[in-house]
Amino acid sequence: ETVMTQSPTSMSTSIGERVTLNCKASQSVGINVDWYQQTPGQSPKLLIYGASNRHTGVPDRFTGSGFGRDFTLTISNVEAEDLAVYYCLQYGSIPYTFGAGTKLELK
Amino acid sequence: QVQLKESGPGLVQPSQTLSLTCTVSGLSLTSNSVSWIRQPPGKGLEWMGVIWSNGGTDYNSAIKSRLSISRDTSKSQVFLKMNSLQTEDTAMYFCARLYDGTYYYYFDYWGQGVMVTVSS
Repeated sequence: ETVMTQSPTSMSTSIGERVTLNCKASQSVGINVDWYQQTPGQSPKLLIYGASNRHTGVPDRFTGSGFGRDFTLTISNVEAEDLAVYYCLQYGSIPYTFGAGTKLELK
Repeated sequence: QVQLKESGPGLVQPSQTLSLTCTVSGLSLTSNSVSWIRQPPGKGLEWMGVIWSNGGTDYNSAIKSRLSISRDTSKSQVFLKMNSLQTEDTAMYFCARLYDGTYYYYFDYWGQGVMVTVSS
């Protein structure tokens, strides 16, 4: 099983700042990584697929990058609506596995 | 538009079997794959398994011995059955469409989830 380790567990930010969330795979997964955003009481929402492709309707302040074992999600100019938990997912091998999440909070 | 909706009992007794239904609209199960994903209260997401568009299945090895996913394409429904439930199976259960393209896979449509509590 491929373990996805996200860091940090939580992060405090101010509106308008730029933040970087990290995800590290226990083995190479190529570009087979997605990023999801979940706000309280809601279902997860797809942000990025294939490591760096923004899903339809996702604002361009969200940028994904990475290959192999190391992946990042960068949010530029954080807005209040971005305060949420972010999960990475690898689909390179079954079982598909999520990271434990990074909670983005207001400073 | 595409919609997925989970349904099932909110409370299950320990050692009993959980049966959930995911009713899909706006897409055909014969050309789309659907996964079940669960989330214990206050915790992260766990992929449980998938039923592929061709009817084949794959499961998370951690729960494979207890889990079965099936479908009725005529009713556009996907079913989850998991036996020997324990308190640690208490979670929100989501179904989600798995886009399985040539180069990318992703969950783009999700149900609202159904909360299942395992308790006597």
